[in-house]
Amino acid sequence: GQNIDQPTEMTATEGAIVQINCTYQTSGFNGLFWYQQHAGEAPTFLSYNVLDGLEEKGRFSSFLSRSKGYSYLLLKELQMKDSASYLCAALDSNYQLIWGAGTKLIIKP
Amino acid sequence: TAGITQAPTSQILAAGRSMTLRCTQDMRHNAMYWYRQDLGLGLRLIHYSNTAGTTGKGEVPDGYSVSRANTDDFPLTLASAVPSQTSVYFCASSDDGLAGVNEQFFGPGTRLTVL
Repeated sequence: GQNIDQPTEMTATEGAIVQINCTYQTSGFNGLFWYQQHAGEAPTFLSYNVLDGLEEKGRFSSFLSRSKGYSYLLLKELQMKDSASYLCAALDSNYQLIWGAGTKLIIKP
Repeated sequence: TAGITQAPTSQILAAGRSMTLRCTQDMRHNAMYWYRQDLGLGLRLIHYSNTAGTTGKGEVPDGYSVSRANTDDFPLTLASAVPSQTSVYFCASSDDGLAGVNEQFFGPGTRLTVL
């Protein structure tokens, strides 16, 4: 079957760095997405990786290892507004997104 | 720019009644999607449409139907609602459904409660 695993909840301190991990098992693979979702709002796109390596975009970076079925989202210089759920999603061979349940990130002052 | 709009924002529905959730996008995207989001579960795809005039079944299509008469609109119909359909429903669109590698843009969601 197809499966996405990510931690349910993480806590970090304002100004610090946090890494949110995601492992995936899909029928074929056409890329890995990260989305941010604030409580009561719609998901919004953060990043897309299809090749191995690190993609940096401001305070946020995303890493992919296709051979390990593994990705992480790295958030630097955490701000209170980063408190949200972070959704990992893998694109399978049919170009359908398989979504993880999301990681709720709590930022403490 | 509006992006994607959904209506209604929220609704309480009696079991056995029918209802249509509306979704409209103004980005001229080819592909559109309907998801439901339940606590502790990932977004689950109900139905999708890669282009106007075509639709397909997702992971959890039972009890739902869709149509795609034009590029902009993608309504989701519950023919006879059941309590297990209580959920938050998100409509999304992307620029190229066939390649599928473009980001999806989401509407604000409809919170549906079936009693």
